[in-house]
Amino acid sequence: KAGVTQTPRYLIKTRGQQVTLSCSPISGHRSVSWYQQTPGQGLQFLFEYFSETQRNKGNFPGRFSGRQFSNSRSEMNVSTLELGDSALYLCASKIEGGETQYFGPGTRLLVL
Amino acid sequence: DQQVKQNSPSLSVQEGRISILNCDYTNSMFDYFLWYKKYPAEGPTFLISISSIKDKNEDGRFTVFLNKSAKHLSLHIVPSQPGDSAVYFCAASTLPGGTSYGKLTFGQGTILTVHP
Repeated sequence: KAGVTQTPRYLIKTRGQQVTLSCSPISGHRSVSWYQQTPGQGLQFLFEYFSETQRNKGNFPGRFSGRQFSNSRSEMNVSTLELGDSALYLCASKIEGGETQYFGPGTRLLVL
Repeated sequence: DQQVKQNSPSLSVQEGRISILNCDYTNSMFDYFLWYKKYPAEGPTFLISISSIKDKNEDGRFTVFLNKSAKHLSLHIVPSQPGDSAVYFCAASTLPGGTSYGKLTFGQGTILTVHP
């Protein structure tokens, strides 16, 4: 079974731009969570989607948003990029009722 | 408020010896704990997990111990191999519902180096 895939793997943007990242979960997994990893803050939870609905959200500004499609694929969007948004963005999927999240390889975003 | 803490930023071990990575937590509502291994610029890889109703779980060279009264868990790797060198994160979750859906709370990680 294929793992979690994320595209693109690397991205360079400038301040003020917006960016969209994509995540395809493991087949059969309907829960998708997003995380941000930075050297200073570690791995921080952004939000979780299930059945096209956001069920939970972490402590991030409204510039961070996401959505989920009927095939469970998910996208996250960051608008008005700031230098501090430079990070590794990770998505993870799990089966509903399961406890273990499986992570994708991440998207490395650099904001200049 | 860091609810999951890994107080040792790094650990160095000789090949063949035991590696013990520690993790402490403060939230008594956590009921499931996981360990992940991570290489730079890659996603975390799941290693092993334990439910709060257990105090030990084994999978090959990896064993996780949970001491609920002390709010402490540890990961034992025996024997350690050079390929085990990576960053190890512990993570915790609460029962699903409300503000806990899909949320893992991570420690800051411990860099393990296994020397040949």
